[in-house]
Amino acid sequence: DIQVTQSPSSLSASVGDRVTITCQASQDISNYLNWFQQKPGKVPKLLINDASNLEEGVPSRFSGSGSGTHFTLTITSLQPEDIATYYCQQYDRLPRSFGQGTKLDI
Amino acid sequence: QVQLVQSGAEVKKPGSSVRISCRASGSGGSFNNYIITWVRQAPGQGLEWMGRINPMLDAPHYAQKFQGRLTITARASATTGYMDLSGLTSDDTAVYYCARETASSWLRMWGQGTLVIVSS
Repeated sequence: DIQVTQSPSSLSASVGDRVTITCQASQDISNYLNWFQQKPGKVPKLLINDASNLEEGVPSRFSGSGSGTHFTLTITSLQPEDIATYYCQQYDRLPRSFGQGTKLDI
Repeated sequence: QVQLVQSGAEVKKPGSSVRISCRASGSGGSFNNYIITWVRQAPGQGLEWMGRINPMLDAPHYAQKFQGRLTITARASATTGYMDLSGLTSDDTAVYYCARETASSWLRMWGQGTLVIVSS
């Protein structure tokens, strides 16, 4: 099974900061990685597919990069509404797997 | 616009089973051509992939952790799928989500979640 390791597990930043979350896969998954945002009490929302493609309606301050085993989610100019937990998920192989999540606070 | 609507919260005794339904509502609401995935989230914890089914192939795939006590069903022509979990323990207390995969395997559409509490 593919393990997905996300870091950091929590992060405190200020409005306007640049924030980076990383995701490491235990084997090459090409670009088969999604990023999700989950706000408290809400359903996860797909932010980025195929490692770097922004979903429709997602603000351009979000970006994703990487391929193979190392991936990053970057938020430039953090906004208060970005407070959430972020998860990566690989979909290269079954079983699918999620990272442990990164809780972002301001 | 299709939505996934899940059944309501459940309170179960340890050792019992739970069935959660996931209904595709709205125009074009059916499971044809869409893989249905189940994900759960224990209180204060992360997302955990449980399994999925391709209704066209009637081929489920389960995470090893749930083998033997998880059953996912969905028929291609139907609008409702099910997740059955048996042998419940307190560790199964969680919100359970169904989600529909796009053709590219992205989990873009999610149900609202169903809370299952396992308590004696």
